[in-house]
Amino acid sequence: DAGVTQSPTHLIKTRGQQVTLRCSPKSGHDTVSWYQQALGQGPQFIFQYYEEEERQRGNFPDRFSGHQFPNYSSELNVNALLLGDSALYLCVSSLGQGGGNSPLHFGNGTRLTVT
Amino acid sequence: GENVEQHPSTLSVQEGDSAVIKCTYSDSASNYFPWYKQELGKGPQLIIDIRSNVGEKKDQRIAVTLNKTAKHFSLHITETQPEDSAVYFCAPLGGDDMRFGAGTRLTVKP
Repeated sequence: DAGVTQSPTHLIKTRGQQVTLRCSPKSGHDTVSWYQQALGQGPQFIFQYYEEEERQRGNFPDRFSGHQFPNYSSELNVNALLLGDSALYLCVSSLGQGGGNSPLHFGNGTRLTVT
Repeated sequence: GENVEQHPSTLSVQEGDSAVIKCTYSDSASNYFPWYKQELGKGPQLIIDIRSNVGEKKDQRIAVTLNKTAKHFSLHITETQPEDSAVYFCAPLGGDDMRFGAGTRLTVKP
């Protein structure tokens, strides 16, 4: 039973570029959330996708966008990269929209470095 | 939104000792209180959780206690082992999104 898989594991980009990160949720899960974790800090909620639509959004600019596909996999896109976007990006899958009714399963993240 | 604080930010104990990490939150509507463990190079993993209708929950060497009146909950690890060394996060659920604390780095010295 595959857990949450993210690709790539590491990525280096230059300021101003665009990046796409990918996530496949745990088998049987239909909801994907994305978190940003800066070094030495807790994860910060970016947004959540359910039924191919963005359902909730944290305090992130619209440079951050996403998509969910019919097979429940998801992409996170970041445009016009800034140095401050350097972080570990975590994908989280759950069944339904969470709310504590379904445990969250984290992937191991994509480490993005912006130079 | 939810305001979450964890204490201490770092904790060093001798193998076999107990460790306690406290999480305070601000949203009185919070009703789900999980703890996550994050090892180096990995994503956080749920280790124990509690809901607002329960005061304490135990799973082998780990336990979580909840004080809803005071708006805090704590992670207790007994008989610590070197493999317990990691960063621990609380993430009380208030409203629609889950806010994580800043984390506690636990080091268990052999």
